[in-house]
Amino acid sequence: ETGVTQTPRHLVMGMTNKKSLKCEQHLGHNAMYWYKQSAKKPLELMFVYNFKEQTENNSVPSRFSPECPNSSHLFLHLHTLQPEDSALYLCASSRVGGAQYFGPGTRLLVL
Amino acid sequence: GIQVEQSPPDLILQEGANSTLRCNFSDSVNNLQWFHQNPWGQLINLFYIPSGTKQNGRLSATTVATERYSLLYISSSQTTDSGVYFCAVGTPLVFGKGTRLSVIA
Repeated sequence: ETGVTQTPRHLVMGMTNKKSLKCEQHLGHNAMYWYKQSAKKPLELMFVYNFKEQTENNSVPSRFSPECPNSSHLFLHLHTLQPEDSALYLCASSRVGGAQYFGPGTRLLVL
Repeated sequence: GIQVEQSPPDLILQEGANSTLRCNFSDSVNNLQWFHQNPWGQLINLFYIPSGTKQNGRLSATTVATERYSLLYISSSQTTDSGVYFCAVGTPLVFGKGTRLSVIA
């Protein structure tokens, strides 16, 4: 248990569905991150939020839409995904510039 | 951007053996972390070590920031040590491709 939780843990969705991934941290951190891990590829940073403000968007397609309502919660809204978007999606949090702690991930399959 | 290279890419050990994993990075950094990813995908923090040496049980790590490398030592390996070990540097973190470790009983 790292203090970062993610729901759901597994998700299967069709290409026309809309779904959301949720991340919550209980560590008092002020930065939160979304990463994508595809098979045979290094972890890719998607988004960074510092103090609820998005500070990095790593050329992510608009079918992924992040939301950070406060420093403890982070969402990733998904719509009209493609099969190649199937991956493990990991959330992390940190103090700004400090060590990052990861949640258990959401394993997404797009059919 | 910063480049992170890890070696070896794959490693098979007999239980009880020791090993050293290496991480080279292309630019000076103020943040370096080692992670272990278990078979279920969870990334577990091992060390936050932008410089110096730290030890935690059978694991230890050393980062020589001036020479841009870090080493992770695993002693008396156990089957539960199997998985992928990642080095990540910078802010935000840039990950290497990992070292896949298999420890055989």
